[in-house]
Amino acid sequence: DTEVTQTPKHLVMGMTNKKSLKCEQHMGHRAMYWYKQKAKKPPELMFVYSYEKLSINESVPSRFSPECPNSSLLNLHLHALQPEDSALYLCASSQEGPRQTQYFGPGTRLLVL
Amino acid sequence: GIQVEQSPPDLILQEGANSTLRCNFSDSVNNLQWFHQNPWGQLINLFYIPSGTKQNGRLSATTVATERYSLLYISSSQTTDSGVYFCAVEQSGTYKYIFGTGTRLKVLA
Repeated sequence: DTEVTQTPKHLVMGMTNKKSLKCEQHMGHRAMYWYKQKAKKPPELMFVYSYEKLSINESVPSRFSPECPNSSLLNLHLHALQPEDSALYLCASSQEGPRQTQYFGPGTRLLVL
Repeated sequence: GIQVEQSPPDLILQEGANSTLRCNFSDSVNNLQWFHQNPWGQLINLFYIPSGTKQNGRLSATTVATERYSLLYISSSQTTDSGVYFCAVEQSGTYKYIFGTGTRLKVLA
């Protein structure tokens, strides 16, 4: 099973709302990633978790708060977002370490009004 | 940081045609993957290819790491091949994947 699932598929939120994106994998991977993709642009790395610990934060604003409660689950908590944060948010997982294949979920399309 | 450029940026093909997509990167890399992003946004793994040549059906890929480029070949293209093709490189010494600029492919019936 090489599946990464993400919920919800679509999300519309106001600038004062708090919401969360969820990502799950059952491949035994110990590295998980959040990417942001704007329209007609490539995905950009936001966060990397390794063994449930945050290992890379690409200078992402604090209104995005990642959480890795266990080895299968990755959350992205959203608060006080701006309209320019509207994008496709992609989760990925891989075995830990360099030279590993990344597997992506289907993404959550977020619209901030 | 490492730069990853893909060419051509856009490509329109007639069904049955062949094509070559190129990925150039500016520094040494640990890893390189090719992805196809379908119209719904799903990124589908095509190849894990840090070096050498691999084939999978109508697709094949070659990476020449010493010359810092990779090629993706699509033969006998089909309308379902339409979408955006990305290469992504893992910069040496990091666990960071950097995506290329992408090639948007449209295959006409």
